[in-house]
Amino acid sequence: DQQVKQNSPSLSVQEGRISILNCDYTNSMFDYFLWYKKYPAEGPTFLISISSIKDKNEDGRFTVFLNKSAKHLSLHIVPSQPGDSAVYFCAAGGKGAQKLVFGQGTRLTINP
Amino acid sequence: GAVVSQHPSRVICKSGTSVKIECRSLDFQATTMFWYRQFPKQSLMLMATSNEGSKATYEQGVEKDKFLINHASLTLSTLTVTSAHPEDSSFYICSASRQQLYGYTFGSGTRLTVV
Repeated sequence: DQQVKQNSPSLSVQEGRISILNCDYTNSMFDYFLWYKKYPAEGPTFLISISSIKDKNEDGRFTVFLNKSAKHLSLHIVPSQPGDSAVYFCAAGGKGAQKLVFGQGTRLTINP
Repeated sequence: GAVVSQHPSRVICKSGTSVKIECRSLDFQATTMFWYRQFPKQSLMLMATSNEGSKATYEQGVEKDKFLINHASLTLSTLTVTSAHPEDSSFYICSASRQQLYGYTFGSGTRLTVV
């Protein structure tokens, strides 16, 4: 039972353009969502999070949008830079519970 | 702030031996730490939740006798892979958090290869 899904295993974007990574979830009890960036052989690095009471959170080039009715969130990166090339995981957590459920990840490649 | 240190970064061991992986929160106290496992090109799978001063909570399908977790202090959790087999070869990652919405900080991971 995959509660958090990232249906695109890979995404290729030209440098300077917008990268949009998508994530769907099935559990309406999730209370907060996070995006992580991961390079090979390294641990994930926290990027940005959003509470279920919000529909948008912005931090520099990164913006996360949450559509609760559609159980969908997305990460926008603009403008995309070569250093953004990595695997991006979305994760979700429930109220009171500390463990996170991760999506399968999307490999983002930024082309010069 | 919120630094998590994980050691070793890479280990190769023989089948049948045990390997210990350490996870330390360097600048904060973590009553709860998490251990994940990642197979190539797959997601992070939670193995267990490590609770300071009490027994770990294992996810379904994870053998508690094989993956021993000890959380003896507020800054240290260890994962011991006992009687390792080649199928245990994987990337193991720990994480800890002070506050949920500020993100869980992950260690740098440990690449275990059992030969």
